[in-house]
Amino acid sequence: DAGVIQSPRHEVTEMGQEVTLRCKLISGHNSLFWYRQTMMRGLELLIYFNNNVPIDDSGMPEDRFSAKMPNASFSTLKIQPSEPRDSAVYFCASSRTGPDQPQHFGDGTRLSIL
Amino acid sequence: GNSVTQMEGPVTLSEEAFLTINCTYTATGYPSLFWYVQYPGEGLQLLLKATKADDKGSNKGFEATYRKETTSFHLEKGSVQVSDSAVYFCALRWDKAAGNKLTFGGGTRVLVKP
Repeated sequence: DAGVIQSPRHEVTEMGQEVTLRCKLISGHNSLFWYRQTMMRGLELLIYFNNNVPIDDSGMPEDRFSAKMPNASFSTLKIQPSEPRDSAVYFCASSRTGPDQPQHFGDGTRLSIL
Repeated sequence: GNSVTQMEGPVTLSEEAFLTINCTYTATGYPSLFWYVQYPGEGLQLLLKATKADDKGSNKGFEATYRKETTSFHLEKGSVQVSDSAVYFCALRWDKAAGNKLTFGGGTRVLVKP
């Protein structure tokens, strides 16, 4: 079975540009999580969805960040405008709903804002 | 609030040595507990889990026992290999009503030398 698929794997862009990160969930999963990982702050949950509905977006750092699920199998995380401090590895993870279902992570997008 | 505290790394070991990574938690109620592993350049993978007090999770030679009296979930492996070099994350899920949202510890980097 295919795992969680993220694209692009690497992104380098100049500050002020719009950045779009993409995530394809595992088939049959209905919970979706976006994380950010940096050396300074570790792993941070940005937002998560259940059945395409955002449940908790308290981790989204600023209004420059937005996330959507246009359908049950796909999500985007946008940063507009991007800033150098947004440089990090961004992971998405999906899971089934239900007691103690594990989260399955993608391999991440390494984002560098110059 | 709910939190997870892990021993700081890096932990450097020789092959075949015994590994322990300490993890303690603070949570209301009865959380489920997890260990995830992150290999270089990859996302996190579930290593093992325990859902109630005194449960022991095990996988790939790793074990951890859910100790409610000490609010701990220490990870152990009797004989490590170079391939166990990775970052290990302890996590809890405390509110089943909140879906599968996890609270992660800061991660412990383990380096196994031949």
